Amino acid sequence: EVQLVESGGALVQPGRSLRLSCTTSGFSFGDYFMSWVRQAPGKGLEWVGFIRTRADGGTTEYAASVKGRFTISRDDSKTIVYLQMNSPRTEDTAVYYCTRDGYCPSAGCSNYNYNGADVWGQGTTVTVSS
Amino acid sequence: DIQMTQSPSTLSASVGDRVTITCRASQSISRWLAWYQHKPGKAPRLLIYKASTLESGVPSRFSGSGSGTEFTLTISSLQPDDFATYYCQQYNTYRTFGQGTKVEIK
Repeated sequence: EVQLVESGGALVQPGRSLRLSCTTSGFSFGDYFMSWVRQAPGKGLEWVGFIRTRADGGTTEYAASVKGRFTISRDDSKTIVYLQMNSPRTEDTAVYYCTRDGYCPSAGCSNYNYNGADVWGQGTTVTVSS
Repeated sequence: DIQMTQSPSTLSASVGDRVTITCRASQSISRWLAWYQHKPGKAPRLLIYKASTLESGVPSRFSGSGSGTEFTLTISSLQPDDFATYYCQQYNTYRTFGQGTKVEIK
């Protein structure tokens, strides 16, 4: 069974760092991009960013709202993806989901490799407050 | 950045109704669009990708259409389990969600 399990959500003060983890199982983790998506209280879904597969460069892309503050990384040996939240703000308060993104086992992937975020974790709650 | 705008924001409907939600992109995204269903306290569920391809296991009453900048999600006969919030997502350039359409009971 394909599973994504987020952890690390907590109450954190503004400016204090926090790292979320997403532990995966049941699929070939190294062959997939992985994304983070969040939902603030009373708001809609917001894409946070994704990390490419190592074969496709292992690079990352971020939403403008978190660029320069958040960092996504992956450990293919442990099949875990991380979201490092530096300098969090009160507006970063949200449920954070990790999702399985595009299938990309080799270099040069395109939009044809993405068939939607077909697997989601249950989410982990981050509250940024003093 | 590509902006996605859904309409309406809220839709009141009855069981059995045909429901249509529209999603507009700020620039052409070809057919790189997905639709999701989200219920409170649960993870979102992928319904459709590439604008009109139904995800495995999704009921056939759901359908998607469109290309370029205008897309629609149609539920042919609304069922009790369909009351939820629906989001479009572009993946032409990175990823962007629409603001959501809440389908509520009339």
